[in-house]
Amino acid sequence: AQTVTQSQPEMSVQEAETVTLSCTYDTSESNYYLFWYKQPPSRQMILVIRQEAYKQQNATENRFSVNFQKAAKSFSLKISDSQLGDTAMYFCAFMTWDNYGQNFVFGPGTRLSVLP
Amino acid sequence: GAVVSQHPSRVICKSGTSVKIECRSLDFQATTMFWYRQFPKKSLMLMATSNEGSKATYEQGVEKDKFLINHASLTLSTLTVTSAHPEDSSFYICSARERTSGRPSTDTQYFGPGTRLTVL
Repeated sequence: AQTVTQSQPEMSVQEAETVTLSCTYDTSESNYYLFWYKQPPSRQMILVIRQEAYKQQNATENRFSVNFQKAAKSFSLKISDSQLGDTAMYFCAFMTWDNYGQNFVFGPGTRLSVLP
Repeated sequence: GAVVSQHPSRVICKSGTSVKIECRSLDFQATTMFWYRQFPKKSLMLMATSNEGSKATYEQGVEKDKFLINHASLTLSTLTVTSAHPEDSSFYICSARERTSGRPSTDTQYFGPGTRLTVL
C-alpha cells in the first residue's frame, strides 16, 4: 500500500521569504504522479503543482517549485516570495492508476502561516 | 479551469434523518467522481469512487448502506448519508475526473468546495 508522510504539521514564514515543505512517500510502483494541493480557509482544494514520476525535471509553477528525488522517494515544495494568500493547509498527494481509474492517497497535511 | 460545485455548502440535521449532498461538474463531463471525508485538521480520506451508470466502489471500512452514492448522469453524483448520527458530522468533499485524454494517468481531478455536515 502507498503511504504519504508530511513530517511538518505546522510551519510559518515571513512574507516575501522562501519556505520548503517536506513530503516523502512509499510505493513499489514505478509509474505515478505526485501533487501538492492547497486548502485555504475556504476549504476549497486547489491544485498547486503536479509532477510525473518518469520526468526527471522538477516541475515549476510561477513561485512554486518542487524538488523531486525519486530514489529517495521525496517530493518537497518550495514557495518563493511567500505571500499572505499562501496561508493554507498544504497536502502532498500520490496518484496511481489502472484501466478503471485513478487512486489518490493524501498526506496528513502541513499548515503554513505566512506572517506579515 | 473546470469547476465542480457542491450543494449544500453546509447542512445541519437531526440525528436519524437522511441528508443528500450533490456534486456537479459544471462545464465538463465526469465519468468518475470521488467522495472524500475530512475530519477537523485531518487529511482527506477517500470514501468511494463513483462511475456514471454503475455501482460505486467503496473503500474498506466505509458502510455502503450508510453512505449511498448515485451517479446518474455525467455531471451529477449524489451522496446520501442515511440515518445520520453525530459521528457522521464531518466535511465531505467530492472531486470529478475530467476525461480529456481517455487515459486515467493524465486526466485531471477537480475538487468541489466541500459540504459541512453537522448532525445534532
